[in-house]
Amino acid sequence: DVKVTQSSRYLVKRTGEKVFLECVQDMDHENMFWYRQDPGLGLRLIYFSYDVKMKEKGDIPEGYSVSREKKERFSLILESASTNQTSMYLCASSSPRGQVGNEQFFGPGTRLTVL
Amino acid sequence: RKEVEQDPGPFNVPEGATVAFNCTYSNSASQSFFWYRQDCRKEPKLLMSVYSSGNEDGRFTAQLNRASQYISLLIRDSKLSDSATYLCATHTGGFKTIFGAGTRLFVKA
Repeated sequence: DVKVTQSSRYLVKRTGEKVFLECVQDMDHENMFWYRQDPGLGLRLIYFSYDVKMKEKGDIPEGYSVSREKKERFSLILESASTNQTSMYLCASSSPRGQVGNEQFFGPGTRLTVL
Repeated sequence: RKEVEQDPGPFNVPEGATVAFNCTYSNSASQSFFWYRQDCRKEPKLLMSVYSSGNEDGRFTAQLNRASQYISLLIRDSKLSDSATYLCATHTGGFKTIFGAGTRLFVKA
């Protein structure tokens, strides 16, 4: 059974803290993604990676960075958390690389609250 | 204008009803299309892929209209368990998939 796991389901942090969200997939997928999901706005792409050590900005990268040191792991970093980063964060993976029609598999999500 | 737009609903239907959702997309280069289902407080999961002229899977039928740039999802004989948010998504052949904000469906007994 394919699996994408995220390090935390719920997280509460304070403004200015550095926050790490971890995502691991066991499907040997090349592509990995980080989204945030907010009511009425849907899924918005923050960053994605199509290979180890490769990363590309999505639609809303400001205030975030990512790291992909191993194929199965993709980390999202909030350098200095702010209240407007309170959201549901979803990690996803897909394969094969760059081909049309590839399904995305999502992790269970991390609901982050920044106080 | 959003690249992928959906009616947010909610659609409230009785069990056994037929319900249809539309989703419009603005990028004419979009090559493939998807419907995902998202249960409350859960992650999205692929319901159906939509290729060429559409496809059917049991009670679910997805259609693509390239001329008018929309896809539709038809659910026949609605079940209580169909209550969820339905996200449409498009893919242009690169790495990115663009998601709509979702349509909420409530099926009532």
